[in-house]
Amino acid sequence: DGGITQSPKYLFRKEGQNVTLSCEQNLNHDAMYWYRQDPGQGLRLIYYSQIVNDFQKGDIAEGYSVSREKKESFPLTVTSAQKNPTAFYLCASIIRAKNHGGGYTFGSGTRLTVV
Amino acid sequence: QQQVKQSPQSLIVQKGGISIINCAYENTAFDYFPWYQQFPGKGPALLIAIRPDVSEKKEGRFTISFNKSAKQFSLHIMDSQPGDSATYFCAASFGNEKLTFGTGTRLTIIP
Repeated sequence: DGGITQSPKYLFRKEGQNVTLSCEQNLNHDAMYWYRQDPGQGLRLIYYSQIVNDFQKGDIAEGYSVSREKKESFPLTVTSAQKNPTAFYLCASIIRAKNHGGGYTFGSGTRLTVV
Repeated sequence: QQQVKQSPQSLIVQKGGISIINCAYENTAFDYFPWYQQFPGKGPALLIAIRPDVSEKKEGRFTISFNKSAKQFSLHIMDSQPGDSATYFCAASFGNEKLTFGTGTRLTIIP
């Protein structure tokens, strides 16, 4: 079955520690996205990548970093510079085709908690 | 700047009733308006989407109404069922990429 796999499902981070969230898709989708979800704030875009070896900052990129070395993979690193990282992180992907009727496919998310 | 405003924040509807969630957008360049359904602990799933060349789109019990002049669109869930209890997000984008999401509506269907 095609889909997006996010791991781990739960992650605990100590103060000052960097952690990396994994996102892998086998849908052959071109573009991949990272969103952060907080209660009452909806989904906010962190970073996105439309092709391999290229990515752009979203609305809340500070304290985060990404890489896109392979089409299937788009890992997100939450650095110690992110002061309030506790949130639900969602990875999504989509085919980049004009007038494509489909929407994002989302992973099941990673819940990150600072301890 | 919040480009997509969603209301209400929460909604309680009796089983069999009609659930209505509203969204308003600011960017007139947006040309793709999807709705997503999210269950607790899961990622959102695409429910239904519309483009501004039509005023309404229906898929089963779910209907999007779109008012281009008012820059508003809404989701109607007919004959609401307990299984529809979830959080619903509207979104908007230009060319169906880089979606901007509303803040979400928590829908509860009571017996």
